[in-house]
Amino acid sequence: EIVLTQSPGTLSLSPGERATLSCRASQSVSSSYLAWYQQKPGQAPRLLIYGASSRATGIPDRFSGSGSGTDFTLTISRLEPEDFAVYYCQQYGSSPPFFTFGPGTKVDIK
Amino acid sequence: EVQLVESGGGLVQPGRSLRLSCTASGFTFGDYAMSWVRQAPGKGLEWVGFIRSKAYGGTTEYAASVKGRFTISRDDSKSIAYLQMNSLKTEDTAVYYCTRWSGWYGFDYWGQGTLVTVSS
Repeated sequence: EIVLTQSPGTLSLSPGERATLSCRASQSVSSSYLAWYQQKPGQAPRLLIYGASSRATGIPDRFSGSGSGTDFTLTISRLEPEDFAVYYCQQYGSSPPFFTFGPGTKVDIK
Repeated sequence: EVQLVESGGGLVQPGRSLRLSCTASGFTFGDYAMSWVRQAPGKGLEWVGFIRSKAYGGTTEYAASVKGRFTISRDDSKSIAYLQMNSLKTEDTAVYYCTRWSGWYGFDYWGQGTLVTVSS
């Protein structure tokens, strides 16, 4: 079973700063099936990045994803007020439990 | 516009059953796998299970925590996915989200969620 670990747990930054979020897998993950989601309080998650580095429809280009194997990164180049939220990485595998989410990184206002 | 609308949540006693529905619109429902993801109060996201499209056999997979108690089904003629939850436990208390699985494109659309509270 693949376990995803996200760090840091909380990231305190100011608007305009750069955010770098890490997602590490306990074993190699297919880049094709590594995604990132954003969730704001009281809302459903929203897909940001799929295939490790492709932005979903309508996602601003300040969001970027990178990585391969066991180490993946979500970068927000310049934080906007609406970017303060919780971010989850997620992987899909060909064996149970098929889908795994990381525990999340909360990006809050410093 | 793609829309997923969950319904059927509520308060239920431990050991009882509940069925959630996810009504889809804006896309060819039968072409996609559908999944359920839950979120306990103040916690992270947990995958519950999914059902493949008929083209891939319409088969289902479940998380270990719900296997044998929960069943996912689909009615492509009505564009509805169901989550039948039996033998509910207090730890099943969560917001349940319906989401579309688009393979490489991830969980690309999500419903607004429906709250299930299991309590005596």
